[in-house]
Amino acid sequence: DQQVKQNSPSLSVQEGRISILNCDYTNSMFDYFLWYKKYPAEGPTFLISISSIKDKNEDGRFTVFLNKSAKHLSLHIVPSQPGDSAVYFCAASANTDKLIFGTGTRLQVFP
Amino acid sequence: SAVISQKPSRDICQRGTSLTIQCQVDSQVTMMFWYRQQPGQSLTLIATANQGSEATYESGFVIDKFPISRPNLTFSTLTVSNMSPEDSSIYLCSVTSGRIYNEQFFGPGTRLTVL
Repeated sequence: DQQVKQNSPSLSVQEGRISILNCDYTNSMFDYFLWYKKYPAEGPTFLISISSIKDKNEDGRFTVFLNKSAKHLSLHIVPSQPGDSAVYFCAASANTDKLIFGTGTRLQVFP
Repeated sequence: SAVISQKPSRDICQRGTSLTIQCQVDSQVTMMFWYRQQPGQSLTLIATANQGSEATYESGFVIDKFPISRPNLTFSTLTVSNMSPEDSSIYLCSVTSGRIYNEQFFGPGTRLTVL
């Protein structure tokens, strides 16, 4: 049972445009959500997070939106840059240190 | 931020053998985590390792198959025992940052191929 789902395995966006990565979850007990970025041959690195008491969190070019009623979150990257090309994982936790990860979306930003 | 190294970075092993993966952190940490990422799959938590106590395994993972050691606050090992091709995965260790809630720093991973 996949509690965190990223239904788009890949996304291709032109440089300068907006990238929108989506994530759905099924467990209503999740209270914290995170996005990680992963380059080849490296471990995932933390990008941005959001608590379930908020619906938006912004950090520079990255904004995460949370829609609890729809059990959906999204990561917006504006403007997209070639260096953003990586695999993006969303993750969730339910009041513990344990993270449940989605399967990832490979983002490619082309010139 | 914590700097985490893993050894080996990759290995190719024969079925039935065992491999021990090392994880070294440049600072003392209470909790260390071991994950597995099978091809095309998400990162799945294998176990949580606290220094001075037995590791806590997630559903579907057992100590006989994945024994873990945590001899001190900067080091841990994960052994993949009696390997089969289904164990071919990337194995990653991580630690909590203590800076942002639930932020974890990950090692670069160990890519294991079992023939």
